[in-house]
Amino acid sequence: AQTVTQSQPEMSVQEAETVTLSCTYDTSESNYYLFWYKQPPSRQMILVIRQEAYKQQNATENRFSVNFQKAAKSFSLKISDSQLGDTAMYFCAFIFGTSYGKLTFGQGTILTVHP
Amino acid sequence: KAGVTQTPRYLIKTRGQQVTLSCSPISGHRSVSWYQQTPGQGLQFLFEYFSETQRNKGNFPGRFSGRQFSNSRSEMNVSTLELGDSALYLCASSVGQLPGGANVLTFGAGSRLTVL
Repeated sequence: AQTVTQSQPEMSVQEAETVTLSCTYDTSESNYYLFWYKQPPSRQMILVIRQEAYKQQNATENRFSVNFQKAAKSFSLKISDSQLGDTAMYFCAFIFGTSYGKLTFGQGTILTVHP
Repeated sequence: KAGVTQTPRYLIKTRGQQVTLSCSPISGHRSVSWYQQTPGQGLQFLFEYFSETQRNKGNFPGRFSGRQFSNSRSEMNVSTLELGDSALYLCASSVGQLPGGANVLTFGAGSRLTVL
């Protein structure tokens, strides 16, 4: 069975600072995709960043970057220059193997950015 | 380009009733997935449809069902509602032609169901 664990239920950061959200997973699959989604108070789930497991280079998307450690089964999200609009629940999620449409989510981390 | 549209946004039902939720995907997307989000269980996958066929299914009882129409719009139905079915139901669409995570899922705003 595949599991996804986010061990930080809540985090806070000051505006303009950097914060890192952690995620670990367990799978026997060799082929999978990794995602970070954010869910602001509006409840709309928004894709932040995506990483293919077969790629060694870490994905970046503007202020968002990941640290993907495949051997350690770790997939953390770094947010640089945090903004008030980054306040949201953040989920790491995976699609394992050739599964269609089935994201496996972690429990989520509530991130609050303070002015 | 219009996003994923879910209707209704909010609804209240009583135990024993049934409910139908609708999801209109992004134009050109042929895959629709459904998720249930609750504070206790988090986000759980219900099922996925592509070209009117269910390709994948999560571990939910048979009271939860879905279908997809030829225009890719999808509905999910929950019969004999229980208090524990109170949740935010999210749908997501994708192009769907590639296996696994090669398809990026775009989510709708959700339908908030309250069962009294």
